[in-house]
Amino acid sequence: QKEVEQNSGPLSVPEGAIASLNCTYSDRGSQSFFWYRQYSGKSPELIMSIYSNGDKEDGRFTAQLNKASQYVSLLIRDSQPSDSATYLCAVKTGQGAQKLVFGQGTRLTINP
Amino acid sequence: KAGVTQTPRYLIKTRGQQVTLSCSPISGHRSVSWYQQTPGQGLQFLFEYFSETQRNKGNFPGRFSGRQFSNSRSEMNVSTLELGDSALYLCASTKGAGVSSYEQYFGPGTRLTVT
Repeated sequence: QKEVEQNSGPLSVPEGAIASLNCTYSDRGSQSFFWYRQYSGKSPELIMSIYSNGDKEDGRFTAQLNKASQYVSLLIRDSQPSDSATYLCAVKTGQGAQKLVFGQGTRLTINP
Repeated sequence: KAGVTQTPRYLIKTRGQQVTLSCSPISGHRSVSWYQQTPGQGLQFLFEYFSETQRNKGNFPGRFSGRQFSNSRSEMNVSTLELGDSALYLCASTKGAGVSSYEQYFGPGTRLTVT
């Protein structure tokens, strides 16, 4: 079982709709979770971090965390063509040290 | 505030050669992590440095090494290059302590091609 799993997609969503991206992780002791956006040919850009169960909202983005189910999700409301990118879920593992384990990423396409 | 910088941005090397990549973290960030990204394997953790000490290491052969200087700048070295080392090498910096200390910010990467 991979440490962090994501549906690789591609996920196609019409403009203005809600895009839902999902991620599961295997280390039950993980405490820190991140979503990165990566445009083709660019480096990953941090868009959300979440540390507690529940929802965290930032503009059009909402991260949801359920530690009991070992599940993290990212919702993008009012999707725009500029949201088309690969979204990477990352989980911090281990104590203290800054090791992030990344999922393979979900390729999202927003159709005008 | 300036972001993470990496040099060089592109490199072409021949099998058997060695290469050194450089990373300057965001000002005030003390932790630097290195990752390798390939289409097949995705983003894989190489190692992390904090206050000039390696705190964690991924599952890469000993040909991959790194170091961190007192100003938090970091270098990674790959010796005896193999074709499979062709990848995007990414450096990420974090504060390393305090609130949001685990949020990593990536540099633009160094694209290494081994021929």
